[in-house]
Amino acid sequence: QSALTQPPSASGSPGQSVTISCTGTSSDVGGYNYVSWYQQHPGKAPKLMIYEVSKRPSGVPDRFSGSKSGNTASLTVSGLQAEDEADYYCSSYAGSNNRVFGTGTKVTVL
Amino acid sequence: QVQLVQSGAEVKKPGASVKVSCKASGYTFTSYGISWVRQAPGQGLEWMGWISAYNGNTNYAQKLQGRVTMTTDTSTSTAYMELRSLRSDDTAVYYCARYSLTASDPWGQGTLVTVSS
Repeated sequence: QSALTQPPSASGSPGQSVTISCTGTSSDVGGYNYVSWYQQHPGKAPKLMIYEVSKRPSGVPDRFSGSKSGNTASLTVSGLQAEDEADYYCSSYAGSNNRVFGTGTKVTVL
Repeated sequence: QVQLVQSGAEVKKPGASVKVSCKASGYTFTSYGISWVRQAPGQGLEWMGWISAYNGNTNYAQKLQGRVTMTTDTSTSTAYMELRSLRSDDTAVYYCARYSLTASDPWGQGTLVTVSS
């Protein structure tokens, strides 16, 4: 199972928006609406930010949104804040009880 | 609140085995699975597999088949991940997380496993 493809880095100034892509295949991202996104600060455990493509868990700011088109999912962070600087990983169900993670994107707030 | 607490850091020699524990609290243990994910130093997240706490069914990542075993003890709401025949490239932080089809959430604090001679 190959990792989903994410850009290595993304950046934006405070208040701006940044969008991270997550490209897979019809066997994972394109085949199921079970895409999730995780935020990871240095030395910390990942935190769920988006599940089922576009749903936000309780407590996650509505500045975070998710979408999907074909084999590519996206995470958008609007109104960037300093605390949004972190690594972000997508994950998708890949059938047969398997999951796959993305390669990860480092978001920098300029 | 839902919480997963993992066992402490381990140092192992190549060829040895390691067993990491993950104690769950704050929810009905058998209503979810437990997933295991590892992260090598400076690298991304790698899916290792998951176990159903309801019936013990497992699914392992293909590259770890034959070296990894995931188990649960429902009497103590604890999950275990054992990795055998350790190599230097198994050095990583190992995470457990409450698992369902939709996502892994929340995650344990992580356990650093260092493989070194």
